[in-house]
Amino acid sequence: DTEVTQTPKHLVMGMTNKKSLKCEQHMGHRAMYWYKQKAKKPPELMFVYSYEKLSINESVPSRFSPECPNSSLLNLHLHALQPEDSALYLCASTALAPPADTQYFGPGTRLTVL
Amino acid sequence: GIQVEQSPPDLILQEGANSTLRCNFSDSVNNLQWFHQNPWGQLINLFYIPSGTKQNGRLSATTVATERYSLLYISSSQTTDSGVYFCAGYNDMRFGAGTRLTVKP
Repeated sequence: DTEVTQTPKHLVMGMTNKKSLKCEQHMGHRAMYWYKQKAKKPPELMFVYSYEKLSINESVPSRFSPECPNSSLLNLHLHALQPEDSALYLCASTALAPPADTQYFGPGTRLTVL
Repeated sequence: GIQVEQSPPDLILQEGANSTLRCNFSDSVNNLQWFHQNPWGQLINLFYIPSGTKQNGRLSATTVATERYSLLYISSSQTTDSGVYFCAGYNDMRFGAGTRLTVKP
């Protein structure tokens, strides 16, 4: 099973809402990643968890808060977002700690901030 | 800073044609990967290829690490090959801008 799942598929939220994105993998991978992708642009790395510890934070605003409760699960908590945060949010995992390994991506969550 | 550059930015082919996509990187990279993003946004890893040549069906890739480039070859293209092809690498998984491929029937 080489699947990374993400929920929800679509999310619409207001600027005062609090919501969470969820990512799950059951491949025994030890690193998980959050990316943000704006329309017609490449994905941009936001966070990396390696062995359930935050190892990379690419200067992401504090209104995005990642959490890794266990080795299979990765959350992204959202609070007080801005309309410019509307994007496709992608989760990925690798078997080994970054950087040297094949990345497996989930289908993404399309987020719209009103 | 580190740069990952892809060419061409857009490519339109007739079904059955062959194509070559290029990825240039500004500094040595040890985790170069190629991805295909379909029209629904799903990113599929095609090759993990820090050096050498790999083949998978109609697709093959070659990375010449000493010259800082990688090539993705698509042979006998099909309409399902349409989408955006990205290369990426480095510790911060920096993506190139992509090549948008359209294969016409």
